[in-house]
Amino acid sequence: DIVMTQSPDSLAVSLGERATINCKSSQTVLHSSNNKKYLAWYQQKPGQPPKLLIYWASTRESGVPDRFSGSGSGTDFTLTISSLQAEDVAVYYCQQYYSSPYSFGQGTKLEIK
Amino acid sequence: QQQLQQSGPGLVKPSETLSLTCAVSGGSINSSSSFWGWIRQPPGKGLGWIGNIYFTGNTYYNSSLKSRATISIDTSKNQFSLKLNSVTAADTAVYYCARLRALFCSDGNCYGVFDIWGQGTMVTVSS
Repeated sequence: DIVMTQSPDSLAVSLGERATINCKSSQTVLHSSNNKKYLAWYQQKPGQPPKLLIYWASTRESGVPDRFSGSGSGTDFTLTISSLQAEDVAVYYCQQYYSSPYSFGQGTKLEIK
Repeated sequence: QQQLQQSGPGLVKPSETLSLTCAVSGGSINSSSSFWGWIRQPPGKGLGWIGNIYFTGNTYYNSSLKSRATISIDTSKNQFSLKLNSVTAADTAVYYCARLRALFCSDGNCYGVFDIWGQGTMVTVSS
């Protein structure tokens, strides 16, 4: 099974500043068949279900603000919020869909400094 | 826009069976580009995938549940369901249903992301 590990567990950033969350997979999630990285990012606000932000490691879901961006290689990935807004306070999860069982990172709690 | 509406009891006794249903509205559950899944989240913890089902009835499970989970689909009612038997306190969690949007299919396997989620159901296992 692929283990997803996020860092840090929590993060406090000032409004308007950049927030960076990391995610590492225990094995590659880069599929040779289409040269794509099978990595997604989700945002979960308190009392709500997760919301899909990014898939294929860097493709924003429709309607997601462009301050959210994703990048990474076969095993190391980053979610960046370029200018933190108050509504971005949430827990962020990475998830691999390269192989079953699908697995999520433990989550990174993002707060305002 | 499709929506998912969950229903089911919030309290289940130990050793009994947890049963939840997810009704799909705003679109057909028979979509060839969609799978339907269940994910759970223990209190204060992260997300865990339980399994998926396709409209044909093909199912895919997380083996960590040791065959306790059964996902079924009723295309006539546009809904799918989860049963988890022999529950213990460790199964206490918020349970979510979700649509898995297939992004890429190859050699009979499809890969995708959970793009639409139900509201979640808090299920407590307690006597």
